[in-house]
Amino acid sequence: NAGVTQTPKFRILKIGQSMTLQCTQDMNHNYMYWYRQDPGMGLKLIYYSVGAGITDKGEVPNGYNVSRSTTEDFPLRLELAAPSQTSVYFCASRGWGFSNQPQHFGDGTRLSIL
Amino acid sequence: EDKVVQSPLSLVVHEGDTVTLNCSYEVTNFRSLLWYKQEKKAPTFLFMLTSSGIEKKSGRLSSILDKKELFSILNITATQTGDSAVYLCAVTMNTGNQFYFGTGTSLTVIP
Repeated sequence: NAGVTQTPKFRILKIGQSMTLQCTQDMNHNYMYWYRQDPGMGLKLIYYSVGAGITDKGEVPNGYNVSRSTTEDFPLRLELAAPSQTSVYFCASRGWGFSNQPQHFGDGTRLSIL
Repeated sequence: EDKVVQSPLSLVVHEGDTVTLNCSYEVTNFRSLLWYKQEKKAPTFLFMLTSSGIEKKSGRLSSILDKKELFSILNITATQTGDSAVYLCAVTMNTGNQFYFGTGTSLTVIP
């Protein structure tokens, strides 16, 4: 009963490096989301997807890219890492149909840019 | 311009106390309000509220929504140390697929 799985759990990057944060879900959910959470702050939406092949920007998309080639996977890419991207990143998914469909979250990826 | 505001930002209580957490919102085309509990890792879902005045209850936790005054409260009675967490509130709208989160209330329960 895996739910939403994020890898890696921790990562340290140097400024200017790139990396991909992986997210996969096994609940056949159509909707998937990427958030960042800074200390003492709520969750800010980076990108989301309503199904394979469809993605859209959230509140803070700059510096990130996403793709959704399958229902299960929704990777988040940082092309040129900057210190401002130091944060905890959460992936979430939810099923089709709006009512009674809360998001299910992964355990997060803690990313530090030095 | 914040859509969702939670108060207080943090709270320290003793075991057995009752606490009330607040969430006010300002969005157009309101659809639902959700409460999550976040301990060390992922937020976990507590309640979803869509109608005014109907209390949702789960054990010692309960929540209610006031769509006229645009707020919700989360009550926790007889608090335990295991209730220590950040409690997040989020709202959704009829248009779009986004969830808008508040900054959370950090609750610490002291034995």
